Amino acid sequence: DTGVSQDPRHKITKRGQNVTFRCDPISEHNRLYWYRQTLGQGPEFLTYFQNEAQLEKSRLLSDRFSAERPKGSFSTLEIQRTEQGDSAMYLCASSLAGTQGSPLHFGNGTRLTVT
Amino acid sequence: AQSVTQPDIHITVSEGASLELRCNYSYGATPYLFWYVQSPGQGLQLLLKYFSGDTLVQGIKGFEAEFKRSQSSFNLRKPSVHWSDAAEYFCAVVNYGQNFVFGPGTRLSVLP
Repeated sequence: DTGVSQDPRHKITKRGQNVTFRCDPISEHNRLYWYRQTLGQGPEFLTYFQNEAQLEKSRLLSDRFSAERPKGSFSTLEIQRTEQGDSAMYLCASSLAGTQGSPLHFGNGTRLTVT
Repeated sequence: AQSVTQPDIHITVSEGASLELRCNYSYGATPYLFWYVQSPGQGLQLLLKYFSGDTLVQGIKGFEAEFKRSQSSFNLRKPSVHWSDAAEYFCAVVNYGQNFVFGPGTRLSVLP
């Protein structure tokens, strides 16, 4: 168990550019979550997958955001036409569905700065 | 909608003093409740969880939490705080849709 890994740790981009983040969950976990966290706030839910199926997506999530988990393993989160308001920490977490009270295991996040 | 409130934005305690961080939730059914801790620039680490049974749950690093259904609360406690406990603490509840809803967090500072 190597934990949840996220890449890159930091990303600086100019407004209007596209960015893509990757998340590798704990290998036996079938659920994968994306959260966004701004300074001084709790994590805000974006979306989650069970295996390769995207089961829920936040209504607050702009159409510029898209996530995939094509083979039910790693996931990518893409933000198109970035805006300064997208600057945040993007957290990935995984869990094991079907286990009562299964907690989320988080990666260390990708910090995005949009200039 | 499900929600979690943490009334204290920032708490400062002296090393060795006791600690209680408050968490209240709004949820229509028996909740799954969690406490996480986050150090600067890091992800969140699970401290403890509650989903049934004994309402007093023990976690890592000497933390415990008590679920009180009548008060819709799940407060985190530690009898003696260490300087390394300084961090941000988040309470979370799993909602109907199986996604986790987090509170805004409480920042803990520890005085030597």
